[in-house]
Amino acid sequence: DVKVTQSSRYLVKRTGEKVFLECVQDMDHENMFWYRQDPGLGLRLIYFSYDVKMKEKGDIPEGYSVSREKKERFSLILESASTNQTSMYLCASTSRDSRFYQPQHFGDGTRLSIL
Amino acid sequence: KQEVTQIPAALSVPEGENLVLNCSFTDSAIYNLQWFRQDPGKGLTSLLLIQSSQREQTSGRLNASLDKSSGRSTLYIAASQPGDSATYLCAVMTTDSWGKLQFGAGTQVVVTP
Repeated sequence: DVKVTQSSRYLVKRTGEKVFLECVQDMDHENMFWYRQDPGLGLRLIYFSYDVKMKEKGDIPEGYSVSREKKERFSLILESASTNQTSMYLCASTSRDSRFYQPQHFGDGTRLSIL
Repeated sequence: KQEVTQIPAALSVPEGENLVLNCSFTDSAIYNLQWFRQDPGKGLTSLLLIQSSQREQTSGRLNASLDKSSGRSTLYIAASQPGDSATYLCAVMTTDSWGKLQFGAGTQVVVTP
């Protein structure tokens, strides 16, 4: 069974801090995704990666960066946290070969509060 | 730009009734449509995936239909139970090569005993 693990369930940080959110998957998936989820807006794609050291911007990349140094790990970085980045962050992964007929697998999410 | 809409935003039904959840999308150029379930404070669990060439998919009490030309999908849950209470999200896979999903905002369902 695919396991996507996000390092923290809850996180509280202060404005201006540099924040790291970590995601690890155990199924050797090539594609990994970071979303944020806000009430009434659904999930919005921040960044995704289709291979080690490869990344592409999603719909709302401003204020974020990512790192993919190893295939199993995809990190989301808030360079200088702001209160409007308070949200639920969800990581997902999928196999490149089966992405059209297999669903994305999601972690349990990190609820991030910026004070 | 693809837009995905789910109406209603919230729904409450008595136990035993059938649930009907709607999803619409603006661009019919999709690879597939996926339905997910989300329990409070949790991640998403995949329910059904319908490929663009298919008309429906079934799993147990769940049935999802897809009408790509009209940009609509419907998720039916038969004989609802209190354990079906959750938020249900639909997402379409856009036709770029990386498998990105565009999500609706979800329908929050409460099944009362």
